[in-house]
Amino acid sequence: GIQVEQSPPDLILQEGANSTLRCNFSDSVNNLQWFHQNPWGQLINLFYIPSGTKQNGRLSATTVATERYSLLYISSSQTTDSGVYFCAVEGGGGGNKLTFGTGTQLKVEL
Amino acid sequence: DAGITQSPRHKVTETGTPVTLRCHQTENHRYMYWYRQDPGHGLRLIHYSYGVKDTDKGEVSDGYSVSRSKTEDFLLTLESATSSQTSVYFCAISGGLAGVTDTQYFGPGTRLTVL
Repeated sequence: GIQVEQSPPDLILQEGANSTLRCNFSDSVNNLQWFHQNPWGQLINLFYIPSGTKQNGRLSATTVATERYSLLYISSSQTTDSGVYFCAVEGGGGGNKLTFGTGTQLKVEL
Repeated sequence: DAGITQSPRHKVTETGTPVTLRCHQTENHRYMYWYRQDPGHGLRLIHYSYGVKDTDKGEVSDGYSVSRSKTEDFLLTLESATSSQTSVYFCAISGGLAGVTDTQYFGPGTRLTVL
């Protein structure tokens, strides 16, 4: 099946710093989503982005499907951005069956 | 936030006992999913449903069965729980618009411990 690799695995930032998280995938995808899991375990969908660029406040994402990677940008980070960021892709077969990466653990410090 | 609830939220059980987890949605979404989350593995798909009484296996389906008798409910059953099934289980939904799967929305999770 499709492989999803995320980097870096861990990241510590000072509040106000910017960061870029990367997601590489091994095959063409129909669907790519970014999620944030907060420290209480809740999974929140950030972006549905199989291709192109989207922005939502301080977060933006870019997927270059032809080169099989996606980037999540966090600007002016805040302590509430802490948690784990997951990239997930659907490789084919329909049904939105997602394969998740192992995530990037982000900690934002004051 | 999508209206998704999971019950129970926490459960401790013993090896060999049957366990059923329930996912309930109020969004009338077509697709429903069960994932498990374990350290070092991210989330992995157990089973999914693409309509009432229509289900299929995911990546880690051994030891699990599912049923969907109505749009709003998706049940996950461990027929005989084992310690390797200790995990956090998440339900998700998608397909709010006909023919569109896109964004997945997750429930709050169920923490299951098998002793």
